[in-house]
Amino acid sequence: GQNIDQPTEMTATEGAIVQINCTYQTSGFNGLFWYQQHAGEAPTFLSYNVLDGLEEKGRFSSFLSRSKGYSYLLLKELQMKDSASYLCAAVGEDSWGKFQFGAGTQVVVTP
Amino acid sequence: DAGITQSPRHKVTETGTPVTLRCHQTENHRYMYWYRQDPGHGLRLIHYSYGVKDTDKGEVSDGYSVSRSKTEDFLLTLESATSSQTSVYFCAISDSGAGKNIQYFGAGTRLSVL
Repeated sequence: GQNIDQPTEMTATEGAIVQINCTYQTSGFNGLFWYQQHAGEAPTFLSYNVLDGLEEKGRFSSFLSRSKGYSYLLLKELQMKDSASYLCAAVGEDSWGKFQFGAGTQVVVTP
Repeated sequence: DAGITQSPRHKVTETGTPVTLRCHQTENHRYMYWYRQDPGHGLRLIHYSYGVKDTDKGEVSDGYSVSRSKTEDFLLTLESATSSQTSVYFCAISDSGAGKNIQYFGAGTRLSVL
């Protein structure tokens, strides 16, 4: 999606922390989603933010700043199984139900 | 796993032939979506449906048509396949069209147009 920017690839060591940034531009705002996608598989839902602040869910947290058009996904205590692509998706006010997806960030976890 | 089945899972076809992909859900969700996923582009919406016989275009709808005659089935048709339609196609469903409308994805169909 041309209005969603996220890094192409990140590498981190097992047990470390990685932060994946996402910037977005939408007409109005109706939510920011993060999905995880392992190679050859379907995307699976990780988190949803609509208000400013941090949402924590186990090892994964997601942060949103609406005024800055910015979100990040924080992965803590990295495990080998966290190697995957992480997709940021935003929904604009007038884009009912229609996600704008970023191209995804490939996270590689090394031993 | 959300009850979403895509068929076929893999298909190889020739340029100019018609192709229909099927998405079947057992969740009775109102909203259904078709995406394509290509390297460097992420997921792009082709068409979506907000009810039986209610469909609308997404950002990359040219060359594709859809039909939804039953709540559980959403069909994507390539009337005359082209090599540029080689892609992985994902179906998604959600029970809400606004707010926290989490979309759940099927396993995908890998289509190659030769």
